[in-house]
Order: sequence, then structure tokens, then C-alpha cells
Amino acid sequence: GQSLEQPSEVTAVEGAIVQINCTYQTSGFYGLSWYQQHDGGAPTFLSYNALDGLEETGRFSSFLSRSDSYGYLLLQELQMKDSASYFCAVRDGFNKFYFGSGTKLNVKP
Amino acid sequence: DTGVSQNPRHKITKRGQNVTFRCDPISEHNRLYWYRQTLGQGPEFLTYFQNEAQLEKSRLLSDRFSAERPKGSFSTLEIQRTEQGDSAMYLCASSLRGGSGRTYNEQFFGPGTRLTVL
Repeated sequence: GQSLEQPSEVTAVEGAIVQINCTYQTSGFYGLSWYQQHDGGAPTFLSYNALDGLEETGRFSSFLSRSDSYGYLLLQELQMKDSASYFCAVRDGFNKFYFGSGTKLNVKP
Repeated sequence: DTGVSQNPRHKITKRGQNVTFRCDPISEHNRLYWYRQTLGQGPEFLTYFQNEAQLEKSRLLSDRFSAERPKGSFSTLEIQRTEQGDSAMYLCASSLRGGSGRTYNEQFFGPGTRLTVL
């Protein structure tokens, strides 16, 4: 089966750095993605890692360690608009995507 | 607007009725996914199409659910004999097969259809 674990909620202040972890157990692994979803909105793609290491896209970075079945999303210079839920998702060998339950990020002034 | 669109945005129905939702993906995208999302959870995979072919279907999906993508463009998801447990947000996403890395894995989600079964 597939399972993904991520913290349910994280709180940080504006301007700070926050890391959201994701551990996974899957029967096939072809990459880890991250999505952002604001309340009432649709998920939007943030990043993707297929290989070990760090991928950087502006204020957001994503890391993957396949040997540890672990990844994280790093958000820098937090802004109020970053308050949202963040989901990690794994793609299996059949092109199906499995999402975690999400981490609600609260950014405070 | 060149994004993914879904209709209707909201649907309220009585238990036992049939409902159908429509998804129009981004025009050049050949992969189309359906997900279900309940409050506080991540999207749950239901099924996906590559062009008009339905390639995978969740084993959790009962026979009351069926999806089509007749010409490889828009898709419909039908739920027969709805139950209160079907109340959820139904999301459609599309992506472009081909290339590698981000292009292959980036899904564009529509705004969803919120279903309420009374």
C-alpha cells in the first residue's frame, strides 16, 4: 500500500524559514511532488524531485532522500500569503499520485 | 481562461440520485485525473486517462462510479445511487505526458465540484 506522513500543522512568523517534512512508504516510487492549497482553492504545483538532493524555486526549495524515503519542503522569507495547506505526493509506477493528509501552515505577523 | 474548468461548481442531491460532473482540461494536455478530497485530507486518486483510454482506476472506487473521456478532451465522472459518504470535493487535474521531470509530473487542478448528498 501507500502511506505518506506529514505534520498536521505548523506555525511560523513572517520572514522566518519553515520546513515541512514528508515520509513515505510506497510500493513504487517515481518522484515526490509538493502542492499548495489555500482554503477554498485548488491545489497548485510547487515542486518535484525524482533524484536525491535539493531543488530550488525562488523562496521554495524541496529536498529528497530516496534511501530514507523522506523529503521536505523549505519555505524561506515567509509571507502572510503563504498561509495554506501543503501536500506531498508520490507518483507510483502506474502514474498514480498519492497525496499526504496535508500540513496546515499558519504564518503570523 | 486557459486553465482546467469543472462544472458544476456545486451540486446538492438527494441520496439515491445519479450525478454527473464535467471536466475540461488544458487543451494540449493528454493526461486527465479525477480525485476526491474531503475536509482535512489530501486529494485521493480515483482514476486517470491518457487521451481517451482509462488506464488506472482506484481499487477503492465502487462500481457506482464511472468515468469517460470519449474524444480525449473533456471528461465526465458519474456517480450512481449517491450515498451520503459520497459528499466531498471532486477535483480534476490535467498534465502533459512527454518530456521529463517537472513537465511530466506537474498537475494542473481545476476548481472542483463540491457534492453534497442529503
